[in-house]
Amino acid sequence: DAGVTQSPTHLIKTRGQQVTLRCSPKSGHDTVSWYQQALGQGPQFIFQYYEEEERQRGNFPDRFSGHQFPNYSSELNVNALLLGDSALYLCASSFFRDSHNSPLHFGNGTRLTVT
Amino acid sequence: AQSVTQPDIHITVSEGASLELRCNYSYGATPYLFWYVQSPGQGLQLLLKYFSGDTLVQGIKGFEAEFKRSQSSFNLRKPSVHWSDAAEYFCAVVGGYSGGSNYKLTFGKGTLLTVNP
Repeated sequence: DAGVTQSPTHLIKTRGQQVTLRCSPKSGHDTVSWYQQALGQGPQFIFQYYEEEERQRGNFPDRFSGHQFPNYSSELNVNALLLGDSALYLCASSFFRDSHNSPLHFGNGTRLTVT
Repeated sequence: AQSVTQPDIHITVSEGASLELRCNYSYGATPYLFWYVQSPGQGLQLLLKYFSGDTLVQGIKGFEAEFKRSQSSFNLRKPSVHWSDAAEYFCAVVGGYSGGSNYKLTFGKGTLLTVNP
């Protein structure tokens, strides 16, 4: 049973560029959440997708956008990259109707470095 | 707004010694609380969670945590630490719902645990 998978594992981009990160949820899960973890910090919630719609959003600018596909996989897009966007981006999946008994499962993350 | 404070940035213990990692939360209603562990280069693994019921919660890898409403705390404990427990530990609280029972988490800044042989 595959867990949450994220790609790529590492990425280096230049300021001003755009980046797309990808996530496949754990089998049986239908909800995907994205978190940003800066160095030395705890993860911060970016947004959550269910039924291909953004359901909740954290305190992140519109440069951060996402998408969920019919197979429940998801993409995180960041435009006009800033140095401060350098971080580990974590994807987490869950089952919408029973999240208390099906807690968040996290992937290993994508390490984004902006130079 | 919900918040989590982990007062200790870095803790060092000897292998075989007991461990307690502190977590304080700020939340208006009954909190749902979690402890996650993150090894270098890895994602987060759930150690244990508290939703309701018994305030002493047992988790994986021999960890336990006690919810104390009067102190707004959810401290993580382990009676005897192994070298493989060296990692970063995050306390988290549910920070809001998006419908159904689905939620987002608000994390503390983490406590880095070093284990000396």
